[in-house]
Amino acid sequence: KNQVEQSPQSLIILEGKNCTLQCNYTVSPFSNLRWYKQDTGRGPVSLTIMTFSENTKSNGRYTATLDADTKQSSLHITASQLSDSASYICVVMEGYSTLTFGKGTMLLVSP
Amino acid sequence: KAGVTQTPRYLIKTRGQQVTLSCSPISGHRSVSWYQQTPGQGLQFLFEYFSETQRNKGNFPGRFSGRQFSNSRSEMNVSTLELGDSALYLCASSGGRGGYTFGSGTRLTVV
Repeated sequence: KNQVEQSPQSLIILEGKNCTLQCNYTVSPFSNLRWYKQDTGRGPVSLTIMTFSENTKSNGRYTATLDADTKQSSLHITASQLSDSASYICVVMEGYSTLTFGKGTMLLVSP
Repeated sequence: KAGVTQTPRYLIKTRGQQVTLSCSPISGHRSVSWYQQTPGQGLQFLFEYFSETQRNKGNFPGRFSGRQFSNSRSEMNVSTLELGDSALYLCASSGGRGGYTFGSGTRLTVV
Protein backbone atom coordinates (compact mmCIF):
# COMPACT_ATOMS: atom_id res chain seq x y z
CA LYS A 1 0.00 0.00 0.00
CA ASN A 2 1.32 3.45 -0.94
CA GLN A 3 2.09 5.48 2.17
CA VAL A 4 3.69 8.76 3.13
CA GLU A 5 4.92 9.08 6.71
CA GLN A 6 5.97 12.40 8.20
CA SER A 7 7.89 13.17 11.35
CA PRO A 8 7.70 14.72 13.78
CA GLN A 9 3.94 15.12 14.17
CA SER A 10 4.45 18.50 15.77
CA LEU A 11 7.35 20.78 16.57
CA ILE A 12 7.89 23.98 18.54
CA ILE A 13 10.96 26.12 17.81
CA LEU A 14 12.11 29.59 18.75
CA GLU A 15 11.96 32.36 16.20
CA GLY A 16 15.20 32.60 14.26
CA LYS A 17 16.13 28.93 14.70
CA ASN A 18 16.37 26.35 11.94
CA CYS A 19 14.42 23.11 11.72
CA THR A 20 14.14 20.03 9.52
CA LEU A 21 11.00 18.05 8.78
CA GLN A 22 11.13 14.48 7.52
CA CYS A 23 9.08 12.52 4.98
CA ASN A 24 9.39 8.82 4.13
CA TYR A 25 7.36 7.26 1.38
CA THR A 26 6.60 3.90 -0.20
CA VAL A 27 4.73 5.24 -3.26
CA SER A 28 5.44 3.44 -6.50
CA PRO A 29 5.79 4.25 -9.32
CA PHE A 30 7.19 7.53 -8.14
CA SER A 31 6.50 10.61 -10.23
CA ASN A 32 7.31 13.58 -8.02
CA LEU A 33 7.33 14.78 -4.42
CA ARG A 34 5.89 18.04 -3.20
CA TRP A 35 5.96 19.98 0.01
CA TYR A 36 3.01 22.18 0.85
CA LYS A 37 2.50 24.74 3.60
CA GLN A 38 -0.99 25.01 5.02
CA ASP A 39 -2.07 27.80 7.31
CA THR A 40 -4.95 27.00 9.64
CA GLY A 41 -8.27 27.02 7.81
CA ARG A 42 -6.69 27.69 4.43
CA GLY A 43 -5.75 25.58 1.44
CA PRO A 44 -2.23 24.16 1.04
CA VAL A 45 0.27 26.29 -0.86
CA SER A 46 3.04 24.64 -2.86
CA LEU A 47 6.60 25.19 -1.63
CA THR A 48 8.61 22.82 -3.81
CA ILE A 49 8.16 20.06 -6.37
CA MET A 50 10.95 17.55 -7.06
CA THR A 51 11.18 14.83 -9.65
CA PHE A 52 13.23 11.64 -9.47
CA SER A 53 16.35 13.29 -10.87
CA GLU A 54 16.36 16.27 -8.49
CA ASN A 55 17.89 15.93 -5.05
CA THR A 56 17.54 19.48 -3.76
CA LYS A 57 15.34 22.47 -4.43
CA SER A 58 15.06 25.79 -2.65
CA ASN A 59 12.31 28.35 -2.29
CA GLY A 60 13.58 31.27 -0.22
CA ARG A 61 14.24 30.03 3.31
CA TYR A 62 12.79 26.60 2.46
CA THR A 63 15.10 23.88 1.09
CA ALA A 64 13.80 20.43 0.21
CA THR A 65 15.98 17.40 -0.38
CA LEU A 66 15.09 14.09 -1.97
CA ASP A 67 16.85 10.73 -1.82
CA ALA A 68 14.96 8.56 -4.28
CA ASP A 69 17.04 5.51 -3.38
CA THR A 70 16.03 5.51 0.27
CA LYS A 71 12.65 7.12 -0.49
CA GLN A 72 13.21 9.93 1.95
CA SER A 73 12.74 13.68 1.73
CA SER A 74 13.35 16.52 4.13
CA LEU A 75 12.26 20.13 4.32
CA HIS A 76 14.71 22.50 6.00
CA ILE A 77 13.52 25.89 7.21
CA THR A 78 16.22 28.46 7.85
CA ALA A 79 15.96 31.40 10.25
CA SER A 80 12.34 30.66 11.14
CA GLN A 81 9.77 33.43 11.37
CA LEU A 82 6.48 33.59 13.22
CA SER A 83 4.69 33.35 9.87
CA ASP A 84 6.24 29.90 9.33
CA SER A 85 3.81 28.54 11.93
CA ALA A 86 1.68 26.17 9.88
CA SER A 87 1.20 22.55 8.89
CA TYR A 88 3.72 21.21 6.38
CA ILE A 89 2.45 18.41 4.20
CA CYS A 90 4.52 16.02 2.11
CA VAL A 91 2.73 14.74 -0.99
CA VAL A 92 3.94 12.09 -3.41
CA MET A 93 2.53 11.68 -6.89
CA GLU A 94 2.18 8.19 -8.30
CA GLY A 95 2.01 7.91 -12.05
CA TYR A 96 0.24 10.80 -13.76
CA SER A 97 -2.26 12.06 -11.23
CA THR A 98 -2.64 10.01 -8.05
CA LEU A 99 -1.52 11.93 -4.97
CA THR A 100 -0.72 10.33 -1.62
CA PHE A 101 -0.61 12.74 1.31
CA GLY A 102 1.28 12.61 4.56
CA LYS A 103 -0.61 13.71 7.66
CA GLY A 104 1.62 16.72 8.05
CA THR A 105 3.93 18.22 10.63
CA MET A 106 2.45 21.02 12.70
CA LEU A 107 5.13 23.66 13.25
CA LEU A 108 4.80 26.39 15.85
CA VAL A 109 7.37 29.16 15.86
CA SER A 110 7.49 30.84 19.24
CA PRO A 111 8.70 34.42 19.83
CA LYS B 1 -4.34 35.38 -12.71
CA ALA B 2 -7.20 34.45 -10.37
CA GLY B 3 -6.68 31.46 -8.14
CA VAL B 4 -8.97 28.56 -7.35
CA THR B 5 -12.26 29.79 -5.91
CA GLN B 6 -14.37 27.69 -3.60
CA THR B 7 -17.82 28.63 -2.39
CA PRO B 8 -19.18 28.86 0.15
CA ARG B 9 -16.35 29.28 2.67
CA TYR B 10 -18.40 28.04 5.59
CA LEU B 11 -21.50 25.90 5.80
CA ILE B 12 -23.55 24.43 8.62
CA LYS B 13 -25.95 21.60 7.83
CA THR B 14 -28.10 19.18 9.77
CA ARG B 15 -27.69 15.41 9.69
CA GLY B 16 -29.63 13.88 6.83
CA GLN B 17 -29.50 16.96 4.65
CA GLN B 18 -27.53 17.22 1.45
CA VAL B 19 -24.99 19.84 0.42
CA THR B 20 -23.41 21.09 -2.78
CA LEU B 21 -20.00 22.72 -2.86
CA SER B 22 -18.59 24.65 -5.80
CA CYS B 23 -15.09 25.02 -7.20
CA SER B 24 -13.96 27.34 -9.99
CA PRO B 25 -10.50 26.38 -11.24
CA ILE B 26 -7.78 28.62 -12.56
CA SER B 27 -8.64 29.78 -16.06
CA GLY B 28 -7.39 27.24 -18.61
CA HIS B 29 -7.07 24.40 -16.10
CA ARG B 30 -9.13 21.38 -17.14
CA SER B 31 -8.50 19.11 -14.16
CA VAL B 32 -10.27 19.56 -10.84
CA SER B 33 -9.79 17.25 -7.88
CA TRP B 34 -11.53 17.18 -4.52
CA TYR B 35 -10.19 16.31 -1.08
CA GLN B 36 -11.56 15.91 2.42
CA GLN B 37 -9.39 17.05 5.29
CA THR B 38 -10.04 16.10 8.90
CA PRO B 39 -7.72 16.42 11.91
CA GLY B 40 -7.44 12.68 12.37
CA GLN B 41 -7.10 11.53 8.76
CA GLY B 42 -5.34 14.40 7.06
CA LEU B 43 -6.07 15.01 3.39
CA GLN B 44 -7.93 12.25 1.60
CA PHE B 45 -8.62 12.12 -2.13
CA LEU B 46 -12.27 12.10 -3.16
CA PHE B 47 -12.26 12.26 -6.97
CA GLU B 48 -10.78 13.98 -9.97
CA TYR B 49 -12.50 15.35 -13.05
CA PHE B 50 -10.95 16.15 -16.39
CA SER B 51 -12.93 17.57 -19.29
CA GLU B 52 -16.26 16.73 -17.62
CA THR B 53 -15.28 13.08 -17.01
CA GLN B 54 -14.42 11.49 -13.69
CA ARG B 55 -10.88 10.25 -14.17
CA ASN B 56 -10.09 8.92 -10.72
CA LYS B 57 -12.00 8.13 -7.54
CA GLY B 58 -10.98 7.61 -3.93
CA ASN B 59 -12.46 5.30 -1.33
CA PHE B 60 -15.53 7.23 -0.26
CA PRO B 61 -19.14 6.04 -0.14
CA GLY B 62 -21.56 6.76 -2.96
CA ARG B 63 -23.07 9.61 -0.92
CA PHE B 64 -20.15 11.66 -2.22
CA SER B 65 -20.50 12.59 -5.86
CA GLY B 66 -19.30 15.26 -8.19
CA ARG B 67 -19.50 16.65 -11.65
CA GLN B 68 -17.66 19.02 -13.91
CA PHE B 69 -19.17 21.47 -16.36
CA SER B 70 -17.98 22.47 -19.81
CA ASN B 71 -16.31 25.59 -18.37
CA SER B 72 -14.30 23.31 -16.01
CA ARG B 73 -16.16 24.49 -12.91
CA SER B 74 -16.89 21.59 -10.62
CA GLU B 75 -19.42 20.78 -7.95
CA MET B 76 -19.30 18.22 -5.20
CA ASN B 77 -22.45 16.86 -3.60
CA VAL B 78 -22.82 15.00 -0.34
CA SER B 79 -26.20 13.44 0.37
CA THR B 80 -27.62 12.20 3.67
CA LEU B 81 -25.04 14.06 5.70
CA GLU B 82 -23.50 12.39 8.74
CA LEU B 83 -21.69 14.00 11.67
CA GLY B 84 -18.45 12.45 10.42
CA ASP B 85 -18.71 14.42 7.18
CA SER B 86 -17.71 17.56 9.08
CA ALA B 87 -14.43 18.56 7.49
CA LEU B 88 -12.58 21.05 5.35
CA TYR B 89 -13.28 20.23 1.71
CA LEU B 90 -10.57 21.35 -0.67
CA CYS B 91 -10.46 21.41 -4.41
CA ALA B 92 -7.36 21.75 -6.55
CA SER B 93 -7.00 22.59 -10.20
CA SER B 94 -4.25 21.47 -12.51
CA GLY B 95 -3.20 22.57 -15.95
CA GLY B 96 -0.92 19.61 -16.48
CA ARG B 97 2.82 19.24 -15.73
CA GLY B 98 1.88 17.95 -12.30
CA GLY B 99 1.21 21.34 -10.74
CA TYR B 100 -1.78 21.50 -8.37
CA THR B 101 -3.18 24.73 -6.96
CA PHE B 102 -5.56 24.47 -4.04
CA GLY B 103 -8.48 26.66 -3.14
CA SER B 104 -9.05 27.95 0.39
CA GLY B 105 -11.63 25.26 1.05
CA THR B 106 -15.17 25.00 2.33
CA ARG B 107 -15.54 24.32 6.04
CA LEU B 108 -18.57 22.05 6.45
CA THR B 109 -20.03 21.48 9.89
CA VAL B 110 -22.76 18.87 10.31
CA VAL B 111 -24.85 19.18 13.48
